[in-house]
This record gives sequence, C-alpha cells and structure tokens, in this order.
Amino acid sequence: DTGVSQDPRHKITKRGQNVTFRCDPISEHNRLYWYRQTLGQGPEFLTYFQNEAQLEKSRLLSDRFSAERPKGSFSTLEIQRTEQGDSAMYLCASSLAGYTDTQYFGPGTRLTVL
Amino acid sequence: AQKVTQAQTEISVVEKEDVTLDCVYETRDTTYYLFWYKQPPSGELVFLIRRNSFDEQNEISGRYSWNFQKSTSSFNFTITASQVVDSAVYFCALSEVSVDSSYKLIFGSGTRLLVRP
Repeated sequence: DTGVSQDPRHKITKRGQNVTFRCDPISEHNRLYWYRQTLGQGPEFLTYFQNEAQLEKSRLLSDRFSAERPKGSFSTLEIQRTEQGDSAMYLCASSLAGYTDTQYFGPGTRLTVL
Repeated sequence: AQKVTQAQTEISVVEKEDVTLDCVYETRDTTYYLFWYKQPPSGELVFLIRRNSFDEQNEISGRYSWNFQKSTSSFNFTITASQVVDSAVYFCALSEVSVDSSYKLIFGSGTRLLVRP
C-alpha cells in the first residue's frame, strides 16, 4: 500500500491570502482526520470524516477553516484570510473503521504565514 | 476530559543506554486505546504501537517494550540499547472507543530523545 500523501509539503503565504491543502489517504481507508501541530507541541485534532461525511469539528476550526472530502477519497483543507497564528504543520491521517482504527499519518504540510 | 501528560520534555542518553519514556493519561472512559508514535526530524509521524484498555499485557518488539498499568494510568515506553537512529520526538496518544466515537487522538506534548554516539 502507498501511504498517506499530502500536497504541498511546504507553503509560504502572505497574511490575508487563502490557501488549500490536499490529502490522499491510504486507499480503502474510510476515515480521514486533520490535525494541526505547532512547534514543540503534539498534534491537535481539527476535524474528522467518515467517507464523505464530516462528523466532527474541533472548536479550533474557526470559520476561516473549511474541509471537504467530496467523494470519500481525497480531502482538502482550506484556510481563508490567513493569519500569522495559522503558521503550523497540518497533518492528515487515515484509518480503516472496524479493523484496527489505527491512524496512519502523512508527511504534513508546513504552512508559514508572513 | 481526556488528557495525556509526557512530563519529560527532553532526554539525552549515550548510545547503548536503556531509556524509558513516561506517559500518564486521564480518561473517564472504560474502553480506550493508547498509542505511541515516533516523529523523526523528517516530520512524519510513524506508528509504533496500539494498546486496548482491556489488554494490560506488556509487549516487546525488538529493542522496544511497553509497560501498560491501568492502576497508575501509565503507558511507558522503553528502548533497550539505544541507537543514534532512535533520536526523535516520541508522542503518546489516547483515543476513546465508542459507537459514536471519532477515535480522534489526544496527544501528549512529546518527549525529545537525543541519542549521542
């Protein structure tokens, strides 16, 4: 199996711009998660999809954040009107419900907002 | 509320020393999973182990071993005969298990392990 992939790996943007990240989960994994990791901290949960349905969102996910998983395969995370506080590593993970429920992570997208 | 505490921020050892990384968790659930992940300098989180709350047997995998004790809410990780390649940040994580659960992971703040030659 190919692992979880994320694109881009790095993104530098100016404050106020919109950015979009993509995550391709392990094929056949029906659960997909987004986490955010800031320097020196553990990842924090942002949102969760089971197939195409977004079933849980953290209060960390402000109105400027939106995530989709249109066909239950890849997912996108968009941040509108970026702020310097959005600078972080954005991690995607996937798992197979009812099997091991172990989440496997992608390499992450590192966002820097200038 | 669920919480994971990794009190050791950074540990430095000399190669071939044994090292134990501590993890203490809090949860009101009776059924849960515990995990350890490794994050090398490349940044990608690598899954190491998952433990079900009903399975308190210790586990050994090569140089790695895990000690799960529900009585003290701890899930400690020991590396025997450490190697330079073990240098990384190690995260302990917890997820609840229920019909409505998202199985989201609650991570500790991590322990940075430096193994010196």
